[in-house]
Amino acid sequence: QQPVQSPQAVILREGEDAVINCSSSKALYSVHWYRQKHGEAPVFLMILLKGGEQKGHDKISASFNEKKQQSSLYLTASQLSYSGTYFCGTQGRTGTASKLTFGTGTRLQVTL
Amino acid sequence: KAGVTQTPRYLIKTRGQQVTLSCSPISGHRSVSWYQQTPGQGLQFLFEYFSETQRNKGNFPGRFSGRQFSNSRSEMNVSTLELGDSALYLCASSSSLIGAGGGYTFGSGTRLTVV
Repeated sequence: QQPVQSPQAVILREGEDAVINCSSSKALYSVHWYRQKHGEAPVFLMILLKGGEQKGHDKISASFNEKKQQSSLYLTASQLSYSGTYFCGTQGRTGTASKLTFGTGTRLQVTL
Repeated sequence: KAGVTQTPRYLIKTRGQQVTLSCSPISGHRSVSWYQQTPGQGLQFLFEYFSETQRNKGNFPGRFSGRQFSNSRSEMNVSTLELGDSALYLCASSSSLIGAGGGYTFGSGTRLTVV
């Protein structure tokens, strides 16, 4: 089942912060985050494996609450280069659930 | 090192025809997954291969098939094309099964248009 992302779209001024949420109805083993710019392939940002884990990548970080089956991506002091569509990908523990299932994406636009 | 290579980049086919798309993963990567991307449905999982074995399959009709060769290169085939098959088909490679904690590297995709 496809994870639900919110918001669907957000517009920021450069320097502002944003949070993108990803929620799943199934038990999760991991959460991935990717960014796709228009006309380009999705690019891997980070993976979170453990409940409560947080990771950072420059000014982009994420958290994973395994019990709530939720993950959030935090973008601080946004830059123009952050514009794009962000996808979370969720993975269950075993068997067919172990495939990586992507949310429908959050379109982020950073303006001057 | 070279990234994930998908060929062809663009393809126009007629309804009823069949098509084969190719993906060469990053050297050393043994896992290849395929996704269909459309504006309305986002990224939909097609298959995952690891060491020539299909590990997972998405909810697509049997017209969609794939395989992986001993050199990890992968192909996917769509037979009896329908207008709704028009999409960007993305291939992604990983050094291990996705469950082992690795992320994907995506190719640039093949844009298939069915007319």
